[in-house]
Amino acid sequence: DIQMTQSPSSLSASVGDRVTITCRASQIISSYLNWFQQKPGKAPNLLIYTASNLQSGVPSRFSGSGSGTDFTLTISSLQPEDFATYYCQQSYSPPLTFGGGTKVEIK
Amino acid sequence: QVQLVESGGGVVQPGGSLRLSCAASGFTFNIYGMHWVRQAPGKGLEWVAAISYDGSNKYYADSVKGRFTISRDNSKNTNTLYLQMNSLRAEDTAVYYCAKGVRVVVTAYSAGDNFDYWGQGTLLTVSS
Repeated sequence: DIQMTQSPSSLSASVGDRVTITCRASQIISSYLNWFQQKPGKAPNLLIYTASNLQSGVPSRFSGSGSGTDFTLTISSLQPEDFATYYCQQSYSPPLTFGGGTKVEIK
Repeated sequence: QVQLVESGGGVVQPGGSLRLSCAASGFTFNIYGMHWVRQAPGKGLEWVAAISYDGSNKYYADSVKGRFTISRDNSKNTNTLYLQMNSLRAEDTAVYYCAKGVRVVVTAYSAGDNFDYWGQGTLLTVSS
């Protein structure tokens, strides 16, 4: 199985900050990496698919990059509604594994 | 608009069984693969199972293989995804979400599938 490791597990940031979250796969997964945002009590929401493609309706301050085993989610200017938990997920092959999550909190 | 509505959650004793349902509407259900994803209380997301558009191929997480069965009914008036769960354990306690895949009319798993729509989830508690 492909293991996904996210870092950090949590971070504190202020509105307007640039935030970067990393995700590493235990083997090469090409660009088959998705990013989700989840707010408390809600279902996850797809932000980025295939490493760098912005899902329809997602603000352009979100961006993704990477290929192979190392990937990054960047929020260029953190907004109040962005405080949430973020998960990466590999879609290369089943079982489709998620990272452990990164909780973005208000500083 | 796309809607996925899960039902069937509840409290079950260890060793028991339960079937979850996910009613789909707002899209052509019978051409998309579908998934179940779960989240234990206070924990992260765990993919559980996937099924191809026609039900011919199914995939499972190691943690549920041999105990859970994913299925679907593509009939026009049903459009429902199911998860039959047997031999339930305390560690199966979670909110279970169904999610729509994006690959169209693909039987074997095709890399790059993702979950573009999710239901609101249904809570399963396994406890004596």
